[in-house]
Amino acid sequence: SQKIEQNSEALNIQEGKTATLTCNYTNYSPAYLQWYRQDPGRGPVFLLLIRENEKEKRKERLKVTFDTTLKQSLFHITASQPADSATYLCALALDTGTASKLTFGTGTRLQVTL
Amino acid sequence: GAVVSQHPSWVICKSGTSVKIECRSLDFQATTMFWYRQFPKQSLMLMATSNEGSKATYEQGVEKDKFLINHASLTLSTLTVTSAHPEDSSFYICSASGLVLPYNEQFFGPGTRLTVL
Repeated sequence: SQKIEQNSEALNIQEGKTATLTCNYTNYSPAYLQWYRQDPGRGPVFLLLIRENEKEKRKERLKVTFDTTLKQSLFHITASQPADSATYLCALALDTGTASKLTFGTGTRLQVTL
Repeated sequence: GAVVSQHPSWVICKSGTSVKIECRSLDFQATTMFWYRQFPKQSLMLMATSNEGSKATYEQGVEKDKFLINHASLTLSTLTVTSAHPEDSSFYICSASGLVLPYNEQFFGPGTRLTVL
């Protein structure tokens, strides 16, 4: 069966450290993968998109890697801040159309402490 | 840019009544809108995809007669939960996608919390 797995346990890290979140998937061949941030009671906010033929993408303090052999994406936040505390969702898209559907993982809650 | 709004942000209704949720793209034309549902501590589950001017496509297990979707214009889609029951209580989120937006990006609304008593 198809699965998208993110660590369901909260990730607690100290301010200034690098947070690394994992997204593993099985029985999917995604055309691209996206990472979103979701705060409690709010809709997701788009962070980064990485395509199947890309290994790594960066945006400011964020970095995403995509390994289609391992079927895994890693999401890194460097120099983490308390304001980065939120739930982070990965989402897979199976085709490249502009109206392609997204399938979301369950998310990992990140807590950055002082 | 690329702002999506939802109205209302929360609603409480009695069992058996119908509730309408609006999703608007404020500064772009949304050729496609998606409707998701999220239960506590669970992921977003896609309910349906709607394209402007055509019937919505529902995901397996989603009752189209219960969750009526109308995408009448390029900036507005509505979700009506008919004869709502307590098990329909959830967080409903819409997203929008358009040809002029960054490739493949969906912009999400802030969500609507529905509580059915």
